[in-house]
Amino acid sequence: AQSVTQLGSHVSVSEGALVLLRCNYSSSVPPYLFWYVQYPNQGLQLLLKYTSAATLVKGINGFEAEFKKSETSFHLTKPSAHMSDAAEYFCAVSDEGNNRLAFGKGNQVVVIP
Amino acid sequence: DAGVTQSPTHLIKTRGQQVTLRCSPISGHKSVSWYQQVLGQGPQFIFQYYEKEERGRGNFPDRFSARQFPNYSSELNVNALLLGDSALYLCASSLPFGVDDEQFFGPGTRLTVL
Repeated sequence: AQSVTQLGSHVSVSEGALVLLRCNYSSSVPPYLFWYVQYPNQGLQLLLKYTSAATLVKGINGFEAEFKKSETSFHLTKPSAHMSDAAEYFCAVSDEGNNRLAFGKGNQVVVIP
Repeated sequence: DAGVTQSPTHLIKTRGQQVTLRCSPISGHKSVSWYQQVLGQGPQFIFQYYEKEERGRGNFPDRFSARQFPNYSSELNVNALLLGDSALYLCASSLPFGVDDEQFFGPGTRLTVL
C-alpha cells in the first residue's frame, strides 16, 4: 500500500523565514503526490500536486514542492512565512487513476511574529 | 458557486447508537469520497462512490456503510457507535475520479461519541 511519512508534528517558524515541511513516500508504482492545507474548522484545500510532469511544482500562496525520486521525497517549501500560513499541512499520495488519498499525520505550523 | 456542503456540522451520540452524515457535492461532480480524521491524525479513506456505485472501500469495519443518490449526494452511516468513532468526517467531491480531477473537501462533520 502506498503511504507517506511526515516527521515532526509541530513546526515553528519565524515570520519571514523559510518554511520547510518534509514528506517521504513509499510506493511501488510512480506516485501521485499532493500537499493540502487545513485551516481551523475548515476542510482541506489543495496547495499543489505532482502527477509525473515537471518535478518542481508551484502551488498557491507562494508554496512549491520538488519531487525527488532518488530520495523518495516531496518536500514543501515557502521562502518567506506569513502569519496567514499558520495552519495544518498534510502530504498525501494516491494510486494513478483512482484518486483515493493516503495522508500523512500532518504538520501543525506556527508562525512566530 | 457553492462548495461541498456537509450536515450536520456537529453531532453528539452515545455508544451503541447509529448516525447518518450527509454530503452534497459541488454541482456537476459525480464522485464522492468519505474520509475519517481522528484528532491529531491525517484523514483516512473510508469510501469512494462514482455514479452511485461503490468504487473503493478503505480498511473500516462493516459498521460503516454509505450510498450515493441519483442527484450525487451521499450519506455515510455508522452503526453501533464506539468511542473510537469520534472524529471529523470529511466528504470530498470530484468530477470523475481520475487523479487529475481535484478533490474538493467540505468542512466536515464533527462526531463526538460519549
